[in-house]
Amino acid sequence: GQQLNQSPQSMFIQEGEDVSMNCTSSSIFNTWLWYKQDPGEGPVLLIALYKAGELTSNGRLTAQFGITRKDSFLNISASIPSDVGIYFCSGNGNQFYFGTGTSLTVIP
Amino acid sequence: DTEVTQTPKHLVMGMTNKKSLKCEQHMGHRAMYWYKQKAKKPPELMFVYSYEKLSINESVPSRFSPECPNSSLLNLHLHALQPEDSALYLCASSQDLRGDRNFGPGTRLLVL
Repeated sequence: GQQLNQSPQSMFIQEGEDVSMNCTSSSIFNTWLWYKQDPGEGPVLLIALYKAGELTSNGRLTAQFGITRKDSFLNISASIPSDVGIYFCSGNGNQFYFGTGTSLTVIP
Repeated sequence: DTEVTQTPKHLVMGMTNKKSLKCEQHMGHRAMYWYKQKAKKPPELMFVYSYEKLSINESVPSRFSPECPNSSLLNLHLHALQPEDSALYLCASSQDLRGDRNFGPGTRLLVL
């Protein structure tokens, strides 16, 4: 099935730095979701966005639903070691699609 | 209860074995899903159940057989698997087909 373009593919950052990642699609979506997955575990839903332009925070995480409805952004402020993992975006329109993932490594 | 649970956590099976993966949710969700995930890749959809009826089969080989005994349970029966079927198998549920998907912790399957 379709996959969303997610970038960057991987990030290596110093503890305390901010992180930004994004997801783009050729189709418009009604919902954008961001998940985090730890090794050997299932994806955990971090933030759900339901309206174009919506900006939602969950602690140090902030995500935005792009105005065009074809993209979304996730920012993590003041990263900590437990932020390590793979972050997946997903878009829900007529079908549900996953992004290709962003692997985040935080160096203490 | 806001969780999707899956058993077993790990499973090793031979190519001639028959085994089953189990998934359970008590959130009243009416859509349930099976996904297969290889390392460092996004989950790939296998099956979708809506109101206990199979809604989508993403051309999955017949050695994988899903079953939805009731609205809270979803099984995946495995028979004559191949080593390339080794993966993390994830179950998910949502309020309905348009709802946000909640994932279980997965079953790590190794086929020898």
